[in-house]
Amino acid sequence: GAVVSQHPSRVICKSGTSVKIECRSLDFQATTMFWYRQFPKQSLMLMATSNEGSKATYEQGVEKDKFLINHASLTLSTLTVTSAHPEDSSFYICSAPAQGFVGNQPQHFGDGTRLSIL
Amino acid sequence: DQQVKQNSPSLSVQEGRISILNCDYTNSMFDYFLWYKKYPAEGPTFLISISSIKDKNEDGRFTVFLNKSAKHLSLHIVPSQPGDSAVYFCAASTGGTSYGKLTFGQGTILTVHP
Repeated sequence: GAVVSQHPSRVICKSGTSVKIECRSLDFQATTMFWYRQFPKQSLMLMATSNEGSKATYEQGVEKDKFLINHASLTLSTLTVTSAHPEDSSFYICSAPAQGFVGNQPQHFGDGTRLSIL
Repeated sequence: DQQVKQNSPSLSVQEGRISILNCDYTNSMFDYFLWYKKYPAEGPTFLISISSIKDKNEDGRFTVFLNKSAKHLSLHIVPSQPGDSAVYFCAASTGGTSYGKLTFGQGTILTVHP
């Protein structure tokens, strides 16, 4: 079964709207989660690292004021796309390490959110 | 700068045969490599991984080979099944403070024909 739950799975909204996407770790705690974005026929690109209790760290070229990340608890990280525009339309997906964060281990991914801005 | 490359956008294989998916990387700091399988509108599902201290890791029908000198890894699926049809991504990380940060290839669409 899924170990990372992401909601909503699809959003269609008007330009200028802010959209919140939730990522939850199920049955385990995740002090760190990651947010990726995938454009059509392209690779998944890391946007930011979400840290519980502290500020997120953003990859180069990602606007932190545009993509607000809040990791308020050990099981929940949220990504808010503020004042979304058509160019923000993409597939957003989160991940979390399965158990804690010790050494190399696979990330478990949510099912993603398809964001479409009209 | 594409640090992880999957040069074959697609691969078509007959059921029962071997599927070989390839991946090349440029960053010599990568020390952990993973393969994920992805269906449309779903998140990637972890398949198998390998640490840079190894050159082979096997899990059932899936085997990953790592050639560090060539900066190349491959995923072998034997025997291939129609249910294996999906997009396959290779990914890599550098460890240290970057644990968990994955750099993905572009993906290869695998189609297994009955």
